[in-house]
Amino acid sequence: DVKVTQSSRYLVKRTGEKVFLECVQDMDHENMFWYRQDPGLGLRLIYFSYDVKMKEKGDIPEGYSVSREKKERFSLILESASTNQTSMYLCASRAPDRNSPLHFGNGTRLTVT
Amino acid sequence: AQTVTQSQPEMSVQEAETVTLSCTYDTSESDYYLFWYKQPPSRQMILVIRQEAYKQQNATENRFSVNFQKAAKSFSLKISDSQLGDAAMYFCAYKGQGGSEKLVFGKGTKLTVNP
Repeated sequence: DVKVTQSSRYLVKRTGEKVFLECVQDMDHENMFWYRQDPGLGLRLIYFSYDVKMKEKGDIPEGYSVSREKKERFSLILESASTNQTSMYLCASRAPDRNSPLHFGNGTRLTVT
Repeated sequence: AQTVTQSQPEMSVQEAETVTLSCTYDTSESDYYLFWYKQPPSRQMILVIRQEAYKQQNATENRFSVNFQKAAKSFSLKISDSQLGDAAMYFCAYKGQGGSEKLVFGKGTKLTVNP
């Protein structure tokens, strides 16, 4: 089975801090994604990556950046955390086949105070 | 841009009965993929079922089946013989056949299963 591991389930940070959310997958998938999940808004794509060092903006990239130095690891960075970035963050990976499903991690609940 | 609409924020069903969750989408593409994902309280999102638009036959996975109406752009999920473990958020998702790798998700339907 594919395993997608997010390093933290819960994280509390202060406004203005730099925050790193880490995600690792063990299936050699090319594609990796970061979503944000908020009640009533569903999942919104922040960034995705289709290869090492490659990245593309999703629907809500403002305030975020990403890093993909190795195929198995995709990091989401909040350069200066703000309270409106309090949310659930979901990482996912996917095989290259176009109908392959996303495999999700357990999520990181980030609170910015 | 493609959009996915789940018009039922919450649904409930009695254990052992059948429930149908609605999903509609908007696209100008002729070929695409549709998915239903389940997110139980434990939080990990898992795939329930998927449908390829070029296939006319509705997908089925055990107690889960879809009613795919391409002309109406409708993709509903039917859960038969509902079990307590089916209680979760259910998300409908769309992926185009074109170059974009991203999935577009609906806002979700919270399903409660009553004993």
